[in-house]
Amino acid sequence: DTGVSQNPRHKITKRGQNVTFRCDPISEHNRLYWYRQTLGQGPEFLTYFQNEAQLEKSRLLSDRFSAERPKGSFSTLEIQRTEQGDSAMYLCASSQQGGGETQYFGPGTRLLVL
Amino acid sequence: AQKITQTQPGMFVQEKEAVTLDCTYDTSDPSYGLFWYKQPSSGEMIFLIYQGSYDQQNATEGRYSLNFQKARKSANLVISASQLGDSAMYFCAMREDPYGQNFVFGPGTRLSVLP
Repeated sequence: DTGVSQNPRHKITKRGQNVTFRCDPISEHNRLYWYRQTLGQGPEFLTYFQNEAQLEKSRLLSDRFSAERPKGSFSTLEIQRTEQGDSAMYLCASSQQGGGETQYFGPGTRLLVL
Repeated sequence: AQKITQTQPGMFVQEKEAVTLDCTYDTSDPSYGLFWYKQPSSGEMIFLIYQGSYDQQNATEGRYSLNFQKARKSANLVISASQLGDSAMYFCAMREDPYGQNFVFGPGTRLSVLP
């Protein structure tokens, strides 16, 4: 299967701890996106990479959040000093430049901050 | 202002019947894309169908079709011959302009297919 993969699938942490999530996009896709989804809501855009360059960040991405895509392949999303309000599903998607720009999503990482 | 509106929080449909899920959008950009995704309880967002703002014909993908009414800014999803496995959340999303990359999602509609 060559879809988008995310690890871990679930993460439980205590308030104040740091967490890091990984996303591996579809191999030929050069664009990668992170979204956050809280219960009962649609996904909200966090940030977007084209190759290794982070081109857009939402105001939702506070200074406790950082994302990287060092070699233009996989990406990591780190949350420092987690807060209970960070509890959500974190979704990663990838797309290929050109065409309809359809984004294909991974299974998500569900974060619970106690 | 809401860019994507889905006015049906929940819908029920009998198995084998057709169902329409509503989506209206708000944009002043002449070039945009509209997408529908399905999210089962497992959480993964599954791409269903895409409609470009300049496409002349309504998009179709198997049992899914998109009723695109540009003047009314609506992009309703029609699912024909509903199956029990269609029970899920359905999200309408929009990408504005050819170079804008982030999607804006609606709040979703929960579809329940009854046997």
